[in-house]
Amino acid sequence: GAGVSQTPSNKVTEKGKYVELRCDPISGHTALYWYRQSLGQGPEFLIYFQGTGAADDSGLPNDRFFAVRPEGSVSTLKIQRTERGDSAVYLCASSPDRGNYGYTFGSGTRLTVV
Amino acid sequence: AQSVTQLDSHVSVSEGTPVLLRCNYSSSYSPSLFWYVQHPNKGLQLLLKYTSAATLVKGINGFEAEFKKSETSFHLTKPSAHMSDAAEYFCVVIRVTGTASKLTFGTGTRLQVML
Repeated sequence: GAGVSQTPSNKVTEKGKYVELRCDPISGHTALYWYRQSLGQGPEFLIYFQGTGAADDSGLPNDRFFAVRPEGSVSTLKIQRTERGDSAVYLCASSPDRGNYGYTFGSGTRLTVV
Repeated sequence: AQSVTQLDSHVSVSEGTPVLLRCNYSSSYSPSLFWYVQHPNKGLQLLLKYTSAATLVKGINGFEAEFKKSETSFHLTKPSAHMSDAAEYFCVVIRVTGTASKLTFGTGTRLQVML
């Protein structure tokens, strides 16, 4: 597509439930990134994929968070046993290389855990 | 470690007056720096980027930034503010290594433009 697409745009879930957030990057972009933006903060790095593999997952806060990109295109961020502190906007971005010239961000998924 | 510091959390200007959003960086080597803008309920948009070419970088919507190594600064400017410029602005540094790539964002500056 023309841009990075994220679905759903909004997700409300109950504490303890499992959620999946989807990112469809720009066609041909090999690099894909997930960031999390809490209210009033700048985005924080979660994970970076180069192709199908997670080249850097050092930003994932704990083992409840996991992300996959099985075919090197679409990625899914998975959160198990959600907590209220997971509430944030989850941003996905892609770039044709390692991002030296900037990333293209999607509009994000706003996750609210109640 | 690389980092950026945005010196103002909030800047308010009148329409038609100059804009200055300040950013200082910390890096052990010559960094690549970006400015992103985020309008309410919208995604992050790349305004401009510095990647060790010209130190004065021109971006979209009339914005520009100057990389000053001696001052470790990368301030964003615009000669004349427009109402549509009201948004959150982020100064960003990128770290690219052999296999990794990571953006580090500043805490953001909210620009308010008044009539």
